[in-house]
Amino acid sequence: QQPVQSPQAVILREGEDAVINCSSSKALYSVHWYRQKHGEAPVFLMILLKGGEQKGHEKISASFNEKKQQSSLYLTASQLSYSGTYFCGTETGGGNKLTFGTGTQLKVEL
Amino acid sequence: DAGVIQSPRHEVTEMGQEVTLRCKPISGHNSLFWYRQTMMRGLELLIYFNNNVPIDDSGMPEDRFSAKMPNASFSTLKIQPSEPRDSAVYFCASSLGTGGRSEQFFGPGTRLTVL
Repeated sequence: QQPVQSPQAVILREGEDAVINCSSSKALYSVHWYRQKHGEAPVFLMILLKGGEQKGHEKISASFNEKKQQSSLYLTASQLSYSGTYFCGTETGGGNKLTFGTGTQLKVEL
Repeated sequence: DAGVIQSPRHEVTEMGQEVTLRCKPISGHNSLFWYRQTMMRGLELLIYFNNNVPIDDSGMPEDRFSAKMPNASFSTLKIQPSEPRDSAVYFCASSLGTGGRSEQFFGPGTRLTVL
C-alpha cells in the first residue's frame, strides 16, 4: 500500500520551518525522500535505513521511527528554492523496490 | 557526467498506436526502474530490472505494456495498443545497487499524450 503523507500542502514564509510526515501500514526497511519541482524529475534528498537513524543535509534533515513505521522530514529556515513537491518512498518487505507516497506540496513565499 | 537519458521527451499519439519509450541508465548502474506519474495515482513503479533481468513487474498495468532491457545501457517500455488512460509522464530511473538501499537517479521523463 501507498504510504500516507501529511500535510498534503503547506505554504511557508521564507525562514519558517516545516515538518512533513510519512506513515506506512507495513514494517519499513528503508525510507527515501525526494523533491520534485514542477515539470521536472524527482531529485533525491536522503535515504534512511532500518535502525531509527536521523540524517541531515544542510537545513534539511529526517528521522526514521521503525517502531511507529514512519519517517519525518524537517525543513528549517526555509528558502524559496525549497518549493516543490516532496515524496517519501518506502521499502517494505525487503522487496528492494520503493512505493511512493502521495506527495506534499510545499510553497515558500517571501 | 550524463545522467539518465530518456527519449522522446514528448510523445503525442492516437489511440491504438504503438508507443515505445527509451531509456539509457547511468553507466555502471545495475538497477533500472520504470515509473508512471499521474495526478490521480501519483508515482507508480511499473517494473524494475537488476543486472538486465526483470525482477518485479507487478506494477505493469496489463498485457498492453511490456518492457525489455537487452543490455546494461538500454531499456524500452512499449505500449501496444495505446489508450487515452495511458496518458502520463513516464520516468526511468537507475541506481547502483538494489532499489531500496541506493539513491535512485531519475531521467527527465517522457510526457505521453494519447488522443
